[in-house]
Order: sequence, then C-alpha cells, then structure tokens
Amino acid sequence: SYVLTQPPSVSVAPGQTARITCEGNNIGSKSVHWSQQKPGQAPVLVVYDDRDRPSGIPERFSGSNSGNTATLTISRVEAGDEADYYCHFWERSSERWGGFGGGTKLTVL
Amino acid sequence: VQLVESGGGLVLPGKSLRLSCVTSGFTFQSWGMSWVRQAPGKGLEWVSSISGSDGSTYYADSVKGRFTVSRDISKSTLYLQMNSLRVDDTATYYCATPNWAFDHWGQGTLVTVSS
Repeated sequence: SYVLTQPPSVSVAPGQTARITCEGNNIGSKSVHWSQQKPGQAPVLVVYDDRDRPSGIPERFSGSNSGNTATLTISRVEAGDEADYYCHFWERSSERWGGFGGGTKLTVL
Repeated sequence: VQLVESGGGLVLPGKSLRLSCVTSGFTFQSWGMSWVRQAPGKGLEWVSSISGSDGSTYYADSVKGRFTVSRDISKSTLYLQMNSLRVDDTATYYCATPNWAFDHWGQGTLVTVSS
C-alpha cells in the first residue's frame, strides 16, 4: 500500500505562515487533497487537486505538489486555523482509493 | 449537498450493525461514495468505497470479508453492513463524496464495540 507521511505537529505564531508537508514516493504524479478537521467536527476539504480551493475556503490556504512532497501552506495564520490536517488522494486512473496521511496537528501559539 | 449518517451505537463483539447515509443535493448515482472511520484520538482511515458509475465496491484489508457497502439509488442512500464486529472497529464512521476528493462529509455516527 502507498504510504503518505506527515509531521505529527506544526506550531506557528498568529500572522505567520504554516507549511504542512505530505511525503510519498513520487507523490508529484498524483492529485493530492487536504482536509481540515477541528475537534468534534467532520473534516472539511480545504485544497483539492494539489492547489485548488473549494468555494468558501480563504485564499490564505494554498497547496503545491512536486517530486516526493506535497505541501499545504496557510498564510497569515489565525487562531481559528488550529486543527488537524490530512493529505489524501484518489487513484483516478484505476478509480481506487489512494491513501490518507497520518495527520498533522497545527497549533497556533 | 447533505449527508446524514445513522445507525451507530453500542454493540457486543461478534455482532452486526448497519449504517445508513441519506444524501440529498446531488445526483446520487453520479458520484462515488465512501465510508471513512476515525477511532477515538486517532487519524482518518478509509474503510470502503462504491463507484458511482457501475457500483463496483472496494474495501480496506482490515474490514474485507466482514463489511459490505451498498447503495439504494431510489432512496439516495448509502449503507455499510458491518458483521463480526471487533473492539478495534470502535470509531466514528463518516460517509463522504465524491470519491475523488471527499468534498462533502456527513456529521458521523459513533460505533462502539464493547462487552
């Protein structure tokens, strides 16, 4: 099975930029999505297809994907961004599930 | 788009439970759907998917042979039949769609397997 590796935690001060990575073998060849989950709530998609945002998601959320690393970047971090973030992907070529990363806890200091 | 799960609860090990996910706001048979679970304090785990186009089904190794995903297009409802439940199946179960990105999630239903 395909393994996606995320750092367990990332900490950032308000107003700064947070970067959360998702590593996988040649992940740049896949379309990676990012979901945000706050305590007691269902996940919410914040970035899809590496870099696109669903409607209603602030422009502060952006993504990139190349080589063996996909990255979620959150600019001008706010207290409300504190949450768990998961990378994931779907193998569109075979219409099969790809994988979830283990999740990263973003702490706003 | 709305997804509403139900059917969770407390169940003894070895018993069965059926989860439902009632959907609205999209053409049910056009989008594939999945079940994703989250054990207490743990990360997200994909459980099962059903293809929108032809209803093909897929399962995680941890549930293969015990869980069955199905759908009723006339009711726009997704199901997860869970048999031979184990303690480590304890989790909140979410339905999500479309399969390729999980743009929409239900609120989750808690399944507790305990004696």
